[in-house]
Amino acid sequence: AQSVTQLDSQVPVFEEAPVELRCNYSSSVSVYLFWYVQYPNQGLQLLLKYLPGSTLVKGINGFEAEFNKSQTSFHLRKPSVHISDTAEYFCAVINTGGFKTIFGAGTRLFVKA
Amino acid sequence: DAGVIQSPRHEVTEMGQEVTLRCKPISGHNSLFWYRQTMMRGLELLIYFNNNVPIDDSGMPEDRFSAKMPNASFSTLKIQPSEPRDSAVYFCASSTSATSTDTQYFGPGTRLTVL
Repeated sequence: AQSVTQLDSQVPVFEEAPVELRCNYSSSVSVYLFWYVQYPNQGLQLLLKYLPGSTLVKGINGFEAEFNKSQTSFHLRKPSVHISDTAEYFCAVINTGGFKTIFGAGTRLFVKA
Repeated sequence: DAGVIQSPRHEVTEMGQEVTLRCKPISGHNSLFWYRQTMMRGLELLIYFNNNVPIDDSGMPEDRFSAKMPNASFSTLKIQPSEPRDSAVYFCASSTSATSTDTQYFGPGTRLTVL
């Protein structure tokens, strides 16, 4: 069975600083990986998704993530954050051909002025 | 497109009462998911429908929970009787894919409080 671990529950950062949100997964088969963002009192929205092929995935709002198979990681990065990026971020994994997405516990990004 | 629509947005009820949550998926999407989000357990998949048929309900916590999808544009999640531990935010999501590899589009959620 697959699983996903988000290593940081909270990440405070100053505006315009870079940020990395860490995600590690485990699975015995090939996987698809996703990052979703949840703004307060809203549902989740897709930031980006990894499909087998390229290791660097670009998403919306200037975010990108790098798939590292040897380290089973899919860390999310942004070179310069804005106050509006304050939200909770979820890493998710699903086996190829599967239908059950497993979500991580979430990382709360707090951007300070 | 209006996106996934859920109602009500907030529900406060007393223990023992029946609760019905409603979802309208995005038109043309053939997969629908019900999730529950709590601080303790995070985001959990409760049940998944494809073409209106329940495919996997292994996440439904117990017999008090039931879900239906009578047609492609409507689904309900019912809790009867409700208990305080059912308090959570319940999300409905839809996608175009028979597997979950396509993007799931989430509704705004229903915040349920059981007193």
